[in-house]
Amino acid sequence: RKEVEQDPGPFNVPEGATVAFNCTYSNSASQSFFWYRQDCRKEPKLLMSVYSSGNEDGRFTAQLNRASQYISLLIRDSKLSDSATYLCVVNILYSSASKIIFGSGTRLSIRP
Amino acid sequence: DGGITQSPKYLFRKEGQNVTLSCEQNLNHDAMYWYRQDPGQGLRLIYYSQIVNDFQKGDIAEGYSVSREKKESFPLTVTSAQKNPTAFYLCASSKDREVTEAFFGQGTRLTVV
Repeated sequence: RKEVEQDPGPFNVPEGATVAFNCTYSNSASQSFFWYRQDCRKEPKLLMSVYSSGNEDGRFTAQLNRASQYISLLIRDSKLSDSATYLCVVNILYSSASKIIFGSGTRLSIRP
Repeated sequence: DGGITQSPKYLFRKEGQNVTLSCEQNLNHDAMYWYRQDPGQGLRLIYYSQIVNDFQKGDIAEGYSVSREKKESFPLTVTSAQKNPTAFYLCASSKDREVTEAFFGQGTRLTVV
């Protein structure tokens, strides 16, 4: 079983729609959680961190459910510029080191 | 400007040759990571390092080697033992093992012919 699993999509939605992505993780030692955005042939860039209390940044809302080991990202009023691949990221903390593990990504395409 | 620099951006090598990819950061970060990305796939962890002179294997370390002689530098060698080395290689760093927001270099596209 993969440590971080995402629906690969693609999601193809009209501009202005609301879209939600889900992600599950398997390692209970996971400590920190993030959503990254990756544009075609570019490096990933941090979109937002994810906290148990939930957090919002403009049109983006992230939620974490530690009991279910589940992370979500909601994008409201989607724009053409939101088209990208969204990566769920988990930090697994060990005694001497931490591993940052990426999901395989969910592709989002916004159409006019 | 602080950041992570990977070089070169594009690299071509003949099959059977070892090749070393450079990764340098001036963010004073303790932790550094190497990932591989194949077309349409996610990032897979190759090696990671929390401190100088120490590193751990990731999920796909076979055919790769690293060193961490300086805090700023974490070069990756793709050896001839790596059966399918053509890929997009990404280096990242984070402040330490607990502050794990990762910052990426622009990546190196390696093509082995």
